[in-house]
Amino acid sequence: QKEVEQNSGPLSVPEGAIASLNCTYSDRGSQSFFWYRQYSGKSPELIMFIYSNGDKEDGRFTAQLNKASQYVSLLIRDSQPSDSATYLCAPMNTGFQKLVFGTGTRLLVSP
Amino acid sequence: EAQVTQNPRYLITVTGKKLTVTCSQNMNHEYMSWYRQDPGLGLRQIYYSMNVEVTDKGDVPEGYKVSRKEKRNFPLILESPSPNQTSLYFCAYMGGGLLFGEEVNEQFFGPGTRLTVL
Repeated sequence: QKEVEQNSGPLSVPEGAIASLNCTYSDRGSQSFFWYRQYSGKSPELIMFIYSNGDKEDGRFTAQLNKASQYVSLLIRDSQPSDSATYLCAPMNTGFQKLVFGTGTRLLVSP
Repeated sequence: EAQVTQNPRYLITVTGKKLTVTCSQNMNHEYMSWYRQDPGLGLRQIYYSMNVEVTDKGDVPEGYKVSRKEKRNFPLILESPSPNQTSLYFCAYMGGGLLFGEEVNEQFFGPGTRLTVL
């Protein structure tokens, strides 16, 4: 089993819709969870982090964490074509030292 | 403005010729890290550093060395590069964060170094 699993996609949604990106992880001791957006040929950029169970909202983005189920998700409301990118999930390990990345979900938002 | 600079951005070299990829941050953060990104494998951590003179292995450290003599610089050294080290490399810093007892509020990746080893 991979440490971090994401559906590779592509996930296709129409402009204005909600995009839902999912991530499961195996390290039960993970405490912090990060979501990154990476455009093709560019470096990853941090868009959200969450460390408490429940929801965290920031603009059009909502991160959801369920530690009991070892599941973290990212919702993008009112999706825009500019949101088309690969989204990477990365839990930080128990010792708060290492980030372990999923392979990412490619999101395509069509006008 | 937060910045991570990497040099070189592109490099083609031959097997066995030692090389160094430099990384420098301008935000005075303790935590720095190197990653490589390969198709189908995603981002994998090579080494990280919690502070000056404190470094530790990530998931794929074989064939790499690092040093952290000062806070702002974290070079990646390939003593004897091999073709399986052909990859896209990213340096990053992390500021704040639960790992230091505070919320992570800043994380920044460099622009990447595309390395080809022939």
